[in-house]
Amino acid sequence: DVKVTQSSRYLVKRTGEKVFLECVQDMDHENMFWYRQDPGLGLRLIYFSYDVKMKEKGDIPEGYSVSREKKERFSLILESASTNQTSMYLCASSSPDRFDYGYTFGSGTRLTVV
Amino acid sequence: DQQVKQNSPSLSVQEGRISILNCDYTNSMFDYFLWYKKYPAEGPTFLISISSIKDKNEDGRFTVFLNKSAKHLSLHIVPSQPGDSAVYFCAAPRGDSNYQLIWGAGTKLIIKP
Repeated sequence: DVKVTQSSRYLVKRTGEKVFLECVQDMDHENMFWYRQDPGLGLRLIYFSYDVKMKEKGDIPEGYSVSREKKERFSLILESASTNQTSMYLCASSSPDRFDYGYTFGSGTRLTVV
Repeated sequence: DQQVKQNSPSLSVQEGRISILNCDYTNSMFDYFLWYKKYPAEGPTFLISISSIKDKNEDGRFTVFLNKSAKHLSLHIVPSQPGDSAVYFCAAPRGDSNYQLIWGAGTKLIIKP
């Protein structure tokens, strides 16, 4: 069964901490994405990557950075966590060969910054 | 500017009846649409899609209708079941990218027993 795995389901971090969210996919997908989901705002794209070591800013990149050293792994970094970064974080991957643009999502990481 | 809009944050439907979830879009260049379903504490999963060359696509209890002139699509679930209670997102590929999706805000569907 194909999977996108996010390392943590729940995290609680203190303001100012550096936070790492890890995502691994086993489908050999080129594209990987980080979203955050907030009530009433839907899914907002933070960063995406279409190849190893490549990254592009999404709609809300401020306060975040990413790393993609290997094709299967895409990491989201909160340089200095703030309370407004409390959210559900979702990682997804996709293949550009798929006509239906289908994304496979991980189960999400619920991050609380206190 | 949100180009895909789901104007109903929530919808409550009796079990066995039809659920209709709506989505509007502003960009007439969109040529493909997808619906995803999301349970709490899980990632969204792909449900059904439709190409702009069609006006209807059916998969079991789920049917998506597309009205291009009105820039409107709808997801029909018949009959609604308790397991359909979830948040439903509609999405469309971003015009300037062949792999980025633009997402609606989602509609929370509650099926009452």
